[in-house]
Amino acid sequence: GAVVSQHPSRVICKSGTSVKIECRSLDFQATTMFWYRQFPKQSLMLMATSNEGSKATYEQGVEKDKFLINHASLTLSTLTVTSAHPEDSSFYICSARTRPWAFEKLFFGSGTQLSVL
Amino acid sequence: DAKTTQPNSMESNEEEPVHLPCNHSTISGTDYIHWYRQLPSQGPEYVIHGLTSNVNNRMASLAIAEDRKSSTLILHRATLRDAAVYYCILGAARLVFGAGTILRVKS
Repeated sequence: GAVVSQHPSRVICKSGTSVKIECRSLDFQATTMFWYRQFPKQSLMLMATSNEGSKATYEQGVEKDKFLINHASLTLSTLTVTSAHPEDSSFYICSARTRPWAFEKLFFGSGTQLSVL
Repeated sequence: DAKTTQPNSMESNEEEPVHLPCNHSTISGTDYIHWYRQLPSQGPEYVIHGLTSNVNNRMASLAIAEDRKSSTLILHRATLRDAAVYYCILGAARLVFGAGTILRVKS
């Protein structure tokens, strides 16, 4: 089956620094990728949708200048948390689908646990 | 976004079937019904999806009501590895997750 690789799996950083998370589709071309965040014991919250070669579409309430998303190729999307603060500590998960259609299933990465000190 | 309603938690015995319900009374005609599950500290995993007809795959079955306002995910023989949070989601260009159902499986 299709594999989505997310890296790193865990990162600890100091407050004020930036952190980049990579999401790669290993054996398929991902025209659309999604980024979610998840707090402990809560559900996934959709942050943004990115289509290859286009600007990401952010969900209401998500700061696009703080969470920079780049989807430069059909196999790679990156999420950069800029000037991270402790409240940004969360589990970040990416997902990808081959085509942006409602019946296409999503393939998820294994997530990145971000801890900001 | 069309909303789904699921029980907060359910419990099952190992080797027995499990029926996980989902209500989606505001579903539109083009919304697919997707089910994903998530184990602790992992990304979600696709389980099954359908539009109108019941669907079967090697993991589970999906029974969709005739009016499409509800559906049921059926795990035919629950194992300890099936213990997870199960999410019922109405699929469109974006998949917005609800609270899900925590499934506990007893040995």
